[in-house]
Amino acid sequence: SYELTQPPSVSVSPGQTARLTCSGDVLPKQYAHWYQQKPGQAPVLMIYKDSERPSGIPERFSGSSSGTTVTLTISGVQAEDEADYYCQSAGVFGGGTKLTVV
Amino acid sequence: QVQLQESGPGLVKPSETLSLTCTVSGDSISRYYWSWIRQPPEKGLEWIGYIYYSGKTNYNPSLKSRVTISVDTSKNQFSLNLSSLTATDTAIYYCARGRAVTTDENWYFDLWGRGTLVSVS
Repeated sequence: SYELTQPPSVSVSPGQTARLTCSGDVLPKQYAHWYQQKPGQAPVLMIYKDSERPSGIPERFSGSSSGTTVTLTISGVQAEDEADYYCQSAGVFGGGTKLTVV
Repeated sequence: QVQLQESGPGLVKPSETLSLTCTVSGDSISRYYWSWIRQPPEKGLEWIGYIYYSGKTNYNPSLKSRVTISVDTSKNQFSLNLSSLTATDTAIYYCARGRAVTTDENWYFDLWGRGTLVSVS
C-alpha cells in the first residue's frame, strides 16, 4: 500500500493562482486524479490522468505532474472555488486540502 | 442523464452487517467499475472497493475481510455489504462510477451519488 500526501490547507486571494500539491512515491508510475468537494455535496471530478479536464470543468483548472508530485493549478481563483480538494490514484485518496479564498 | 442513488438504513447496530444498494439510471451497468467510497464525519475519502459488471471485484486491503460488493445487472444495481460494524464505520457512503485509466490497476470516479449517512450506534 502507498500514501498520497496533501497539505491540509492553502489560502489564496481572489484572482490569484492556487497550486495544490499531492505527493507520493507511486506517482511517477501511476496517474493521479483530482476532486473538488463543497460542504454537504458529493465530490466532483476536476482532473483525471494528471492533466485531462472533463467536459464542463472551467479552463482555469489544470493539472500537471513532475516526479513524485502532481499539482492542481487554479488560475484566477474565484470565491466559488473555495472547497476541499482530494487527489486519488487507484485505491488511495490523499488526505485533502482545504482551499480558502480570502 | 446518468444518475446514481444510494439506498439503505441510516442507523445500524454495532457488530451487525450494513447493506447498501446503488441504483444506476440513465446508463447500463454493464460497463465501468462500480465503486463504493466512504467519508467519516469531518474526515477524508476512503475507497472501499469496486465491482466490474462481469463480477470481478477489488477491495481496499484494510477492509477486505469485511466487504462484499455484488452486482445485479437485471436491476441495474450494485450493492455493498460491510460486516462486523463498529462506531468507526460511521460515515457518508457514496456509490460512484469508475473508469479505468489503462488497465484495471488505476481508475477515477467520474460520477457520484449524493451519498447516504450511516451511523453505527
